[in-house]
Amino acid sequence: AQSVTQPDIHITVSEGASLELRCNYSYGATPYLFWYVQSPGQGLQLLLKYFSGDTLVQGIKGFEAEFKRSQSSFNLRKPSVHWSDAAEYFCAVGPSSNTGKLIFGQGTTLQVKP
Amino acid sequence: ETGVTQSPTHLIKTRGQQVTLRCSSQSGHNTVSWYQQALGQGPQFIFQYYREEENGRGNFPPRFSGLQFPNYSSELNVNALELDDSALYLCASSPEARGNEQFFGPGTRLTVL
Repeated sequence: AQSVTQPDIHITVSEGASLELRCNYSYGATPYLFWYVQSPGQGLQLLLKYFSGDTLVQGIKGFEAEFKRSQSSFNLRKPSVHWSDAAEYFCAVGPSSNTGKLIFGQGTTLQVKP
Repeated sequence: ETGVTQSPTHLIKTRGQQVTLRCSSQSGHNTVSWYQQALGQGPQFIFQYYREEENGRGNFPPRFSGLQFPNYSSELNVNALELDDSALYLCASSPEARGNEQFFGPGTRLTVL
């Protein structure tokens, strides 16, 4: 079955501290992987994506993610968190074809302490 | 460049009624996908439209239907509303041949009483 698991429902970090959000996926074919961020009452903003090539991908707002095929993981990282990063983060997996059914995880809520 | 827009922002309906939600895709995008996001959950894929044809459907009953117009805007129609249909409905558009690269609108919050 195709699925995405985000093991941490809620994470709290101090401003300036590093961040890692975990994502594990189960997908039969070669996956395309995404991280989105959602602020309260807003839609989803694409942070970064992995299709192929270098397994460390850079995104917007200083985020990066590493694809590890052997662990079926695509963890999101940021070296130094800012208060404005507080939001909900979603990992998603999709097909390599043009049919765009994305499968999302349940999300991780990030709280940033001053 | 105009992003994805959705209307209305909020909507309140009663059980059994019908609702239509609208989405305008980003300039240059010809593929539109719809998702339902219940409170505290990740988005769930409803269906996708490509060049006015349905191009994939998730596990939603037939009372969820859609349309895409020649200008690539789209509608989501839900008949016989149920309380569980209360959710944020998200529309996403994609460029040609890149249906899995999705750019989301702000969503429509539907409340069914």
